[in-house]
Amino acid sequence: AQKVTQAQTEISVVEKEDVTLDCVYETRDTTYYLFWYKQPPSGELVFLIRRNSFDEQNEISGRYSWNFQKSTSSFNFTITASQVVDSAVYFCALMSEAFGIQGAQKLVFGQGTRLTINP
Amino acid sequence: NAGVTQTPKFRVLKTGQSMTLLCAQDMNHEYMYWYRQDPGMGLRLIHYSVGEGTTAKGEVPDGYNVSRLKKQNFLLGLESAAPSQTSVYFCASSYSAGGLAGPSSYNEQFFGPGTRLTVL
Repeated sequence: AQKVTQAQTEISVVEKEDVTLDCVYETRDTTYYLFWYKQPPSGELVFLIRRNSFDEQNEISGRYSWNFQKSTSSFNFTITASQVVDSAVYFCALMSEAFGIQGAQKLVFGQGTRLTINP
Repeated sequence: NAGVTQTPKFRVLKTGQSMTLLCAQDMNHEYMYWYRQDPGMGLRLIHYSVGEGTTAKGEVPDGYNVSRLKKQNFLLGLESAAPSQTSVYFCASSYSAGGLAGPSSYNEQFFGPGTRLTVL
């Protein structure tokens, strides 16, 4: 079974603080992908990053960084020097075992973390 | 390219009414998906399609039907809407996967802007 847990329902910080969003996943597969999506107040889903299970290198993109640790089944997301525009709901998602017909792959989403950056 | 578009953006229905949500993509993707998003539950897969004329059930298919008559379109139907179907609906599309060992770009699902549906 696949499962993604984002234990932090809501986080509120003051602008310029660093903030880490936690993501813990469960899968029995050795090959899988992990994703982070951002959902701003406008409602659309914005793709942030994809990481495959064979690549444990951490990644940095501007103020965003991701820490992937297979040993703890975690894929945490850190925003450095947060800004008001970072306010959004952030989803972690897992794609692992093929399912159903013709190997379609299901994205399993966590519950989401609502991040509020206060000026 | 418009990417993935959804029609309508908002809709209010009365219990028992029917409606169809339209998803269109112009990326020539084989796979298309319908998800619903409810507070505190993330997104859950309703139905999906691996190609024209082929559909299958996802995690929460009850109360919905789908059709994929054209490769670029994926329709989600509610025959008799219920308040429990109040939700935000997202459509997504992706290339045919070729399995998880295929090119990594094949594993990204592109999402539409969503449809907010309220059933009174």
